[in-house]
This record gives sequence, structure tokens and C-alpha cells, in this order.
Amino acid sequence: GAVVSQHPSRVICKSGTSVKIECRSLDFQATTMFWYRQFPKQSLMLMATSNEGSKATYEQGVEKDKFLINHASLTLSTLTVTSAHPEDSSFYICSAGPGAREQYFGPGTRLTVT
Amino acid sequence: AQSVTQLDSQVPVFEEAPVELRCNYSSSVSVYLFWYVQYPNQGLQLLLKYLSGSTLVKGINGFEAEFNKSQTSFHLRKPSVHISDTAEYFCAVSENPTGRRALTFGSGTRLQVQP
Repeated sequence: GAVVSQHPSRVICKSGTSVKIECRSLDFQATTMFWYRQFPKQSLMLMATSNEGSKATYEQGVEKDKFLINHASLTLSTLTVTSAHPEDSSFYICSAGPGAREQYFGPGTRLTVT
Repeated sequence: AQSVTQLDSQVPVFEEAPVELRCNYSSSVSVYLFWYVQYPNQGLQLLLKYLSGSTLVKGINGFEAEFNKSQTSFHLRKPSVHISDTAEYFCAVSENPTGRRALTFGSGTRLQVQP
């Protein structure tokens, strides 16, 4: 099946710094990618829809200035957590796919803000 | 808006016993339905999906699920579980076919298989 990669798999950063997470579709082009967030022992919550060549669409309650999304090519979307705080510590997962029929998930990025 | 309910947060079961993980959904439009499994500190792996056609869907690792439109359910079953099936299981929906493509997830069910 199609593969979606994420980098890094784990990152630890200090409070106040910014962290960039990459999501790549390895063997298909994705005009749309999705970013989810998962707190410990909880479900995945959609944060935003990343659209190639245009602005991302954010879910209600997600700060667009804090979670910057850039979808510069058909195979790469990046999520930058700006001025990270401990409450931003979470598991971030991206997905991409040919449509509503199937989404392929990346392996996730564990962010820890100290 | 669509929603997914997984009533059981944890399901303990003995090895080789059958198991059913329940999932109910709510949507104003027709949906695609999915079951994913997540092992600790890993991403999601697709177990199976219902798009159309036969309401009984077979997936990987011996799992199957049945779509019941009248009861808006998509319960996951396995006739005999293994220790290695211990994981978190998520039911999810997306709108069919040109609607919202992002998935809406249930809260998850932790399947704990005991020897």
C-alpha cells in the first residue's frame, strides 16, 4: 500500500522554541493532507487540512498562528509548532490519500516540550 | 456533522476467546467506515473498511466487521484473539463520496488479551 512518512519520529524541545514536523507521501501525490493530534490515551482529533498551493483549513479551536502549516509540494506538508509550551506535548500524526475511500497514516511524531 | 461512538473504553478477554468491539456512528450523509489498530507509540494501521456492497467486511489479522445501516453500527469481531492483538482500536468515518475526506474517530477501545 501507499506509504506516508513523518520526520522526526520523536523530538524534545525547550519551551518557547519552534519545532517543524514533516509529512511526506512517498509513492503518490497528495493535494490534500491532514494533521491530527493525539493526547495520551485519547483519540485522534483533526487539527487542520493542508492544501497544496493554498492556505490550510483549521478546525475550530486550533490556533493557526501557533500551528503553521505549509504544503509547498504535492508530496510534502510541514507542521511548525511555534513558541511551543508543555501543553503542546502530544503525538502528531499526518495522513494523506486518494480521497475519502482511504487515508494512509504516517507513523506519528512524539513531541515533548520541557 | 458526523460522530463516532465506541462505548467500550476497555475490553479484557482471554486468549483464543471471541471478541466484539462496538462502534456506532451518526451522520446526515452516507459514510465510509473504517477500523484502525494502533500499537503503543506507533501510527495507525488499517484493519478493514466498508465502502459499499457486501455489509460483511473481512480485514487483516482475522478481523471482520458488519455494517448495519438501520442500527448505524459497524462492530468489529474476531472469533479467536491472540496476545498480539492487544492494542488500541479506533473506529472512524469519512463522508461519501465527495464530502469531508478527513476522518472522524471514535474515542478508541483498548483490547487487552490475557493468557
